[in-house]
Amino acid sequence: QSVLTQPPSASGTPGQRVTISCSGSSSNIGDNYVHWYQQFPGTAPKLLIYRSSQRPSGVPARFSASKSGTSASLAISGLRSEDEADYYCGTWDDSLNGPVFGGGTKLTVL
Amino acid sequence: QVQLQESGPGLVRPSETLSLTCSVSGSSITSYYWSWVRQSPGKGLEWIGYIYYTGDTNYNPSLKSRVTISLDTSKPQFSLKMSSVTAADTAVYYCARGYCSSAHCPQGYYFDYWAQGTLVTVSS
Repeated sequence: QSVLTQPPSASGTPGQRVTISCSGSSSNIGDNYVHWYQQFPGTAPKLLIYRSSQRPSGVPARFSASKSGTSASLAISGLRSEDEADYYCGTWDDSLNGPVFGGGTKLTVL
Repeated sequence: QVQLQESGPGLVRPSETLSLTCSVSGSSITSYYWSWVRQSPGKGLEWIGYIYYTGDTNYNPSLKSRVTISLDTSKPQFSLKMSSVTAADTAVYYCARGYCSSAHCPQGYYFDYWAQGTLVTVSS
């Protein structure tokens, strides 16, 4: 069981806006920044969002994220077929004294 | 650009020691946390531990008794050793660069570069 809770799946049609949630506790999300990673099958995770809402260079503005209390969410607007991937949230956990991840959400573009 | 490349055996016998090395190019060793993360087949990501460029280490408590991470700044590369492996340790192992700025550490710690991953199977 992962420390952070994500829905196992999400879906949307091209052009739609989808959101993926990530739930934690006061010892992780509640007290720290949240980051998001995108992973295509057979490849390594790639940093998508850092410090809750910042996009690394090269990540389209269609990807955005927010955090409130002990939850966070990733939003993808103008959904494209190439967005079909697994998405993981991650943060620091004060109790573990290390980084933790969610179980991942498989996004399907219908 | 920053590149990380793992190397090591893809098959390890139960009860033996898993050993992997990650070679770093395009990045200074200083100011980063050199990390190992694994992903069991069909499962999520699990942080194993990291070594800071100063040599300070931090391990996942669930694995701490079996894990050692070391750093060779001259090459530069860092290594993972995990002892007494079982089938439960079968996973894709990633080395990654961890980072947090001085103003946001550790609450802003994240992984900004990852290697492609290497599958390690524990089986006799």
